[in-house]
Amino acid sequence: DADVTQTPRNRITKTGKRIMLECSQTKGHDRMYWYRQDPGLGLRLIYYSFDVKDINKGEISDGYSVSRQAQAKFSLSLESAIPNQTALYFCATSDAVNTEAFFGQGTRLTVV
Amino acid sequence: DAKTTQPPSMDCAEGRAANLPCNHSTISGNEYVYWYRQIHSQGPQYIIHGLKNNETNEMASLIITEDRKSSTLILPHATLRDTAVYYCIVRDLNSGGYQKVTFGTGTKLQVIP
Repeated sequence: DADVTQTPRNRITKTGKRIMLECSQTKGHDRMYWYRQDPGLGLRLIYYSFDVKDINKGEISDGYSVSRQAQAKFSLSLESAIPNQTALYFCATSDAVNTEAFFGQGTRLTVV
Repeated sequence: DAKTTQPPSMDCAEGRAANLPCNHSTISGNEYVYWYRQIHSQGPQYIIHGLKNNETNEMASLIITEDRKSSTLILPHATLRDTAVYYCIVRDLNSGGYQKVTFGTGTKLQVIP
């Protein structure tokens, strides 16, 4: 099983719909992140969380919200999806001891 | 965190060494150089990191210049499976996480048969 699991892997949704992307990890890491990747662009940070009670906005948080339900679970929500939120979304984890970040396999979201 | 500059693309013949450069001229003394790669549209994968000494692991070698303003990732015998986008980033371990790290557009390495 993957260390960082994202669901769904692919999703097509309509403009105005609410959608949730889920991320779970088995690494035991306290830090979790949501990124977005658009063609020709790098990864941009949406939100990050250092523990269940710590949620922080990243570079491009407008239009998104998150929930850290447990140490192992970090969900990203689009309250009212719009076409320019069509992108590849990645969840990642890290901790204070292990210096590398672990990424999920990504969720390809299309908003029509 | 300091930003990095990488060439947008490179080609390498299969079986030859791939040398991927990275410029990080504004790196500070506490910042490490990290390399990740992203194969097709999968999640980025950690390769290697270093502070000032050269590093080697089973995947690659990392050569950091003495002034630490640039580095080179070396894949000693590139295979077709090494075709990917390679990201060079700098990170201050004291910052506590990756929230200040910028993953730019990286170098797209194409390994040619």
